[in-house]
Amino acid sequence: DIQMTQSPSSLSASVGDRVTITCRASQSISNYLTWYQQKPGKAPKLLIYAASSLQSGVPSRFSGSGSGMDFSLTISGLQPEDFATYYCQQSYTTRYTFGQGTKLEIK
Amino acid sequence: EVQLVQSGAEVKKPGESLRISCKDSGHSFTSYWITWVRQLPGKGLEWMGRINPSDSYSDYSPSFQGHVTISVDKSISTAYLQWSSLKASDTGMYYCARLSMNPGAWNLFDPWGQGTLVTVSS
Repeated sequence: DIQMTQSPSSLSASVGDRVTITCRASQSISNYLTWYQQKPGKAPKLLIYAASSLQSGVPSRFSGSGSGMDFSLTISGLQPEDFATYYCQQSYTTRYTFGQGTKLEIK
Repeated sequence: EVQLVQSGAEVKKPGESLRISCKDSGHSFTSYWITWVRQLPGKGLEWMGRINPSDSYSDYSPSFQGHVTISVDKSISTAYLQWSSLKASDTGMYYCARLSMNPGAWNLFDPWGQGTLVTVSS
């Protein structure tokens, strides 16, 4: 199976900051990379698909980039509601795999 | 708005069987697959398996193959995840999600159900 590795595992930041989370696949996945946001006690929510396409309704401060094996999620101008855990996921193969998650906390 | 509504929390003993459900409130149940994801307490997301409601074809992550069964009842737009013999290590939150396998759909998990908490304890 394709392994997805996120870094960092946790991150402290302040409202207004710009943060970047990275995700690396164990082999090339083209741009079959999706980012999800999960808040405590809630189901995950789709943020970005195809590595860089913003899901409808998601604020434009979220952006994604990358292809092949290396990807990133950037949040520009953190808002209080953005403090959550973020997961990347590959769908290049139908044995879907997630990264271990990055917990974004308030500094 | 499409919604997936999952059945309520369950408390079971080791060795017991269980079936939890995921009802699709939309009108296109057989146009999309349903997938299941596990989240152990304080841990990340793990893909378990998926099913095509139109023909009931299912496949599983090797980690879950043989331990769970995914099924559907098209007549009531509902998918199921079941265990024949639960273990304490099955304790966790289980989510269903709609999975679009259409060409160009990027195999996205969206939307998700609200989750079903399963607790297995003697």
